[in-house]
Amino acid sequence: EPEVTQTPSHQVTQMGQEVILRCVPISNHLYFYWYRQILGQKVEFLVSFYNNEISEKSEIFDDQFSVERPDGSNFTLKIRSTKLEDSAMYFCASSGEASEKLFFGSGTQLSVL
Amino acid sequence: KQEVTQIPAALSVPEGENLVLNCSFTDSAIYNLQWFRQDPGKGLTSLLLIQSSQREQTSGRLNASLDKSSGRSTLYIAASQPGDSATYLCAVFGGNNRKLIWGLGTSLAVNP
Repeated sequence: EPEVTQTPSHQVTQMGQEVILRCVPISNHLYFYWYRQILGQKVEFLVSFYNNEISEKSEIFDDQFSVERPDGSNFTLKIRSTKLEDSAMYFCASSGEASEKLFFGSGTQLSVL
Repeated sequence: KQEVTQIPAALSVPEGENLVLNCSFTDSAIYNLQWFRQDPGKGLTSLLLIQSSQREQTSGRLNASLDKSSGRSTLYIAASQPGDSATYLCAVFGGNNRKLIWGLGTSLAVNP
């Protein structure tokens, strides 16, 4: 079965540094998402992306966050200046249609020190 | 604002038992409801998706039901096995916001 691939699996960074989390969605999917899960808390929506633009974003997704689809296969999440509270597991997901089943990657565990 | 609640928070059962996990949501205007499995430190695996027009979906030993009007879904696991041990998450999609809203999950331990 096709799968969503995320790299790296773990990322440790210093507060204030920029990080880029990478994702390769399923090839024929059109909708792309980032979610995150802080340890012990609910999974939270960050942003959805369709047709090369953000279709929806949450309050968490402030100016420090950005997403990009630089080519036909990658989908990236950039955090410009990381904060301690950005430490979480970040999940990328994709779907063929907006209300179809979402396929998730295995996540990137981000630790901000 | 959509809120999703899962009961119980944790469950420990002996192998072979049939069990029911519960999910409730406050806004019935949803497009679908999905059940996911999460293993410790791992990703999210979709188990079942129920469209808003459907009442249930089955996959192997798993059966999920949806009562949209009452804002409830149940995940039934038949003949549980130690390999079923994981956290089970319920998430609803749609309404005013086309995104998944998640419950906190039920942590299941199936003891051999």
